[in-house]
Amino acid sequence: GESVGLHLPTLSVQEGDNSIINCAYSNSASDYFIWYKQESGKGPQFIIDIRSNMDKRQGQRVTVLLNKTVKHLSLQIAATQPGDSAVYFCAENFSGNTPLVFGKGTRLSVIA
Amino acid sequence: DAGVIQSPRHEVTEMGQEVTLRCKPISGHNSLFWYRQTMMRGLELLIYFNNNVPIDDSGMPEDRFSAKMPNASFSTLKIQPSEPRDSAVYFCASRGDGSKTEAFFGQGTRLTVV
Repeated sequence: GESVGLHLPTLSVQEGDNSIINCAYSNSASDYFIWYKQESGKGPQFIIDIRSNMDKRQGQRVTVLLNKTVKHLSLQIAATQPGDSAVYFCAENFSGNTPLVFGKGTRLSVIA
Repeated sequence: DAGVIQSPRHEVTEMGQEVTLRCKPISGHNSLFWYRQTMMRGLELLIYFNNNVPIDDSGMPEDRFSAKMPNASFSTLKIQPSEPRDSAVYFCASRGDGSKTEAFFGQGTRLTVV
């Protein structure tokens, strides 16, 4: 049988509702953050980013909020659609040209 | 641009065999990253290169793993000998110059070692 795997937090939302996915990052010195979306069988895809000198950034149907005081990042998706179903990862950049460090991910399931 | 290109998309091999995964980064990007994704550990960084030079390989699990970047447009990740616990999806990503830019991922290689 399968071994116990990584238990991803799962968020189930009704189609048309708003979704909020949360992420706690690790390093208070991180200066750049990204949200990625990963669909089944594909690589992570960039959604939106934010620099540490901002606390909010909006894209098309998505908004990222950054709270540096508590090291918290959130992704808000407006009017969630079935195509939004995926695993969402937050990533932080510590400094310079170092690799992004990824969180564990949250699975978003949209109920039609 | 075609994006980051990885090959093969799927690889099934027998334990003990050598496996080579390939990556072509986006033209002009000067950083390349190899990640491994499993259910147990999520997305783990194995190694990364800046300007074709390996910078940090502390994520490479053991000596059976090796990576090279002979030029700016090609990198390989080799496992020799392969073991069943190496089964995972391996991603290559590249990023342009500067710290505040996103990394672009390939579609991944799903490796199964039986």
